[in-house]
Amino acid sequence: DTAVSQTPKYLVTQMGNDKSIKCEQNLGHDTMYWYKQDSKKFLKIMFSYNNKELIINETVPNRFSPKSPDKAHLNLHINSLELGDSAVYFCASSRGGGNYGYTFGSGTRLTVV
Amino acid sequence: GENVEQHPSTLSVQEGDSAVIKCTYSDSASNYFPWYKQELGKRPQLIIDIRSNVGEKKDQRIAVTLNKTAKHFSLHITETQPEDSAVYFCAAASSSGNTGKLIFGQGTTLQVKP
Repeated sequence: DTAVSQTPKYLVTQMGNDKSIKCEQNLGHDTMYWYKQDSKKFLKIMFSYNNKELIINETVPNRFSPKSPDKAHLNLHINSLELGDSAVYFCASSRGGGNYGYTFGSGTRLTVV
Repeated sequence: GENVEQHPSTLSVQEGDSAVIKCTYSDSASNYFPWYKQELGKRPQLIIDIRSNVGEKKDQRIAVTLNKTAKHFSLHITETQPEDSAVYFCAAASSSGNTGKLIFGQGTTLQVKP
């Protein structure tokens, strides 16, 4: 039983396309996150939702739009993909509140060609 | 702004030796400090964490120390084994907004040579 599952695991697409990544957690956590891991392995937060409410929206191009239909799901839609969007995108969940670790999904490796 | 600095960026040790990774953080109100291990091609996994009301925590071969005054925390791995080879990330919880946001260090690639 995977705690935090992401699909797809790999995504190869052309510049200008629109794509979505999906994430689901079965841990009963209230908070979910999207992080981007670049080629230098740096993990940078993009968005966070707490019980369907957007609580973190870092400086991310507005081509990226998160959506949380319920507290167990968090999706990421990316419009007009650019070469620089190539990275690994990790979904994570936590109990929230600033004092709990994350459980990460397995990641989506996005390659824009 | 919130920042976590991690050193060294790479660390190579012989099997059986100890490894130490150090982090400093800028937000003096941070009160939660987890460490993650990421094996090649895998997800980051929580290996140990420490909260600001304690100075040290140990779990078998790994330990974490925290110096709140100096805003430093460190990961210590004793009797290293080849399977400890991975990228290790420290993190500090942001104190703003009670969002659970973690600020990660840049990562340390640990290589344990058999």
